[in-house]
Amino acid sequence: SQQGEEDPQALSIQEGENATMNCSYKTSINNLQWYRQNSGRGLVHLILIRSNEREKHSGRLRVTLDTSKKSSSLLITASRAADTASYFCATGPMDSSYKLIFGSGTRLLVRP
Amino acid sequence: NAGVTQTPKFQVLKTGQSMTLQCAQDMNHNSMYWYRQDPGMGLRLIYYSASEGTTDKGEVPNGYNVSRLNKREFSLRLESAAPSQTSVYFCASSRSGDRGLYEQYFGPGTRLTVT
Repeated sequence: SQQGEEDPQALSIQEGENATMNCSYKTSINNLQWYRQNSGRGLVHLILIRSNEREKHSGRLRVTLDTSKKSSSLLITASRAADTASYFCATGPMDSSYKLIFGSGTRLLVRP
Repeated sequence: NAGVTQTPKFQVLKTGQSMTLQCAQDMNHNSMYWYRQDPGMGLRLIYYSASEGTTDKGEVPNGYNVSRLNKREFSLRLESAAPSQTSVYFCASSRSGDRGLYEQYFGPGTRLTVT
């Protein structure tokens, strides 16, 4: 079964707006990662946040992690048409340093 | 620097046929992974290899076998393909160590159809 569940499943916004995606998970984690997948391509790593961190920034991306609520959010600011993709959260379980468990993803459409 | 490469890109099999998906990475990573992605879903881990010489089952290992040929190469074999194995298969690699999990680097995928 999948650990992470993203919300919403699909999101459509206008270019220039901010996009927020949420991820909830079930068990204790070592870290949480966000990936992007363009249609028909492999996944590309965006950002990693460890369980002892609360917030992390990378360019136009901001990720938060609330381990007490077992949830994370990914904020993309000033979105561009090129941000159109599926976004997945992936959790690293505490009992394994090697595995990632992926959620089902949020499909983001940024309209020009 | 090619990153993670996978062959073939596309494959059509008949039920009962066998095939091997190849994966290689040139980043000197210790850990390698095989995932499958079904339409509209996230990735599910089939098998992984934490380091050369070791392999372990993931969430959905039934019907698959793997070989970690050397540090660079990790292959996935379907011994007797079934229509339920129609999917896109991704290989990935990552560093590993005491500091915990690192980001994974993905190949472009193999689209497999079993008829």
